[in-house]
Parts: sequence; C-alpha cells; structure tokens
Amino acid sequence: DIQMTQSPSSLSASVGDRVTLTCRASQSISSYLNWYQQKPGKAPQLLIYAASSLQSGVPSRFSGSGSGTDFTLTISSLQPEDFATYYCQQSYSALMYTFGQGTRLEI
Amino acid sequence: QLQLQESGPGLVKPSETLSLTCTVSGGSISSSSYYWGWIRQPPGKGLEWIGRIYYSGSTFYNPSLRSRVTISVDTSKNQFSLKLSSVTAADTAVYYCARLDSGGWYFDLWGRGTLVTVSS
Repeated sequence: DIQMTQSPSSLSASVGDRVTLTCRASQSISSYLNWYQQKPGKAPQLLIYAASSLQSGVPSRFSGSGSGTDFTLTISSLQPEDFATYYCQQSYSALMYTFGQGTRLEI
Repeated sequence: QLQLQESGPGLVKPSETLSLTCTVSGGSISSSSYYWGWIRQPPGKGLEWIGRIYYSGSTFYNPSLRSRVTISVDTSKNQFSLKLSSVTAADTAVYYCARLDSGGWYFDLWGRGTLVTVSS
C-alpha cells in the first residue's frame, strides 16, 4: 500500500498568515494527489486535484504543488473560515486510495 | 444541483451487517461516467476509503475490508448501497458516500455523512 504522511499534525497560525502544509508519499505517485478541507461536523470538500489544479469555486488563495513523493498545500493569506483539518489523498493506485492522517490548522 | 444523502440505521449490533444507502438527487446516477464511493471516519480519526462502484456495477474494494464489504448500485432508484458484515466496535464511524470524477481520481462531491455505532 502507498502510505501518505502529512506534516505537521497540527499548526497554529493567525489570520493573514501564509501557511504551507506538507504531504509525503511512500513511493512516487506522479501528480495523483488531492487535497481536502474538513470542518468540524462536516464532510470533506475537495480543494485541489492532480496536485495543483484548483477545484471550481475554491478561493485562489489555495494552491498546490509537487510531484513524485513530496507535495505542498499553500494558503497565501489565512482567512477565519480556513481554520480546519486538511487531508491529502493519493489516487495513483486507483485500486486503493489512501489518505494522510490530516493536518489540523488552528488559530 | 447534484446532491448525495446517506441513510440507514445509526446503531448496529456486533457481528451483524451494517447496511447504508446513498441516494443521488438532482441528476441520474447512470447518465454520466462517474464512479461512486464510500469513505468512513472513526470518531476523532482520519479518513478511510471503503470501496467504489461504477454505474455499470463494477466494483473495487479496500483490500483490508474486501472480505466483508459489498457495494451495489440500483439505477432505477438512483441509489448505491454499502453492506459491511460481521461488524465490531472498530467499525463505528461516520460513513460518507461520495462521487468520484469520471477518471476515478478524486472525490468531488460528498454526502453529509451518517454516524453508525456498533454496540450491543
């Protein structure tokens, strides 16, 4: 199985900060990497697909980059509604999708 | 606007079978080349993919759950379903149904989720 490791597990930041979250795959997954945002009590929402493509309706302050094993999600200027948990997910192995353990972004 | 809604019992006894249905509204489950999937999340923990199905009925399951999982589709009712047998307390989780894009690469639309507790 392809393991996904996110760092840090939690992060404290302030409104207006620029933050970068990291996701690492246990083997190369090309650009088959997606990012989701989950707020408490809610379902995850797709932010970024294929490592760097912004999902329709997602604010442009979110961006993704990377390929192979190392990926990042950057929020250019944190807004109050961005405080949530973020998950990466690989789809290189479409027979076994795996998620990272999540990064909790706190105020 | 397409929406997904999970339904089913919120409490299941150990060793019994968990059964959930996802109803797709605002569009036909078979009109586009999408995949449909199930994901779960134990309380306070991360996300685990359970399996996916194509509208034609072809399925793929998480190997760690394959022996206990069945996902089926009913195009006449615009629904797809999950059955998980021989449940234990470890299967207690919020269960989400979701749509995958036509390539099966990412989950672009999710249901609200439903909590299933396994307890006697």
